[in-house]
Amino acid sequence: GENVEQHPSTLSVQEGDSAVIKCTYSDSASNYFPWYKQELGKGPQLIIDIRSNVGEKKDQRIAVTLNKTAKHFSLHITETQPEDSAVYFCAASRVLDKLIFGTGTRLQVFP
Amino acid sequence: EPEVTQTPSHQVTQMGQEVILRCVPISNHLYFYWYRQILGQKVEFLVSFYNNEISEKSEIFDDQFSVERPDGSNFTLKIRSTKLEDSAMYFCASRAGLSNYGYTFGSGTRLTVV
Repeated sequence: GENVEQHPSTLSVQEGDSAVIKCTYSDSASNYFPWYKQELGKGPQLIIDIRSNVGEKKDQRIAVTLNKTAKHFSLHITETQPEDSAVYFCAASRVLDKLIFGTGTRLQVFP
Repeated sequence: EPEVTQTPSHQVTQMGQEVILRCVPISNHLYFYWYRQILGQKVEFLVSFYNNEISEKSEIFDDQFSVERPDGSNFTLKIRSTKLEDSAMYFCASRAGLSNYGYTFGSGTRLTVV
């Protein structure tokens, strides 16, 4: 079945450093790849997404890269801040289809 | 910014009881979803709903589960006879349609079955 693997499961960085989270997906028909930030007791919040017709997208300190051939995509956060601390989920889907989520990465940014 | 609203935020119920989780999706959205997250685990798809019918459901969504959009604004998830393993956060999500891939999630209902 469809599956999304996510690594690492936990990531600790010093404030100001960069953080990278990686995901691989199994369904080659997937063409939409969002990233969600989940804070304690809250629902997933979309932070950035990318469609399969582009290889990279950037929004201020956050960027996502996509390699369709290798079926993997990554989230890059630069100049991390303590408020970036949360659980991050990647997901993949076909157009108009359900999201398949990764297993999550708990990011801790230490001041 | 438009929101997906879920009520209640926390529900405690006895095993075997029926529960109804309520959601108000964003008003002009056409696609509606329920997802579940067991504590410490990933978010899992339960069901999608479009044009007043279920478009897809997962293996988790068995005969004990049902969804309804009774009045054009609410979207409900009913669990007929709750089990201990139904304890989880339940998230409702909606999406505008063909031109917009992005989902908006609600803040969830924490269901505790005792």
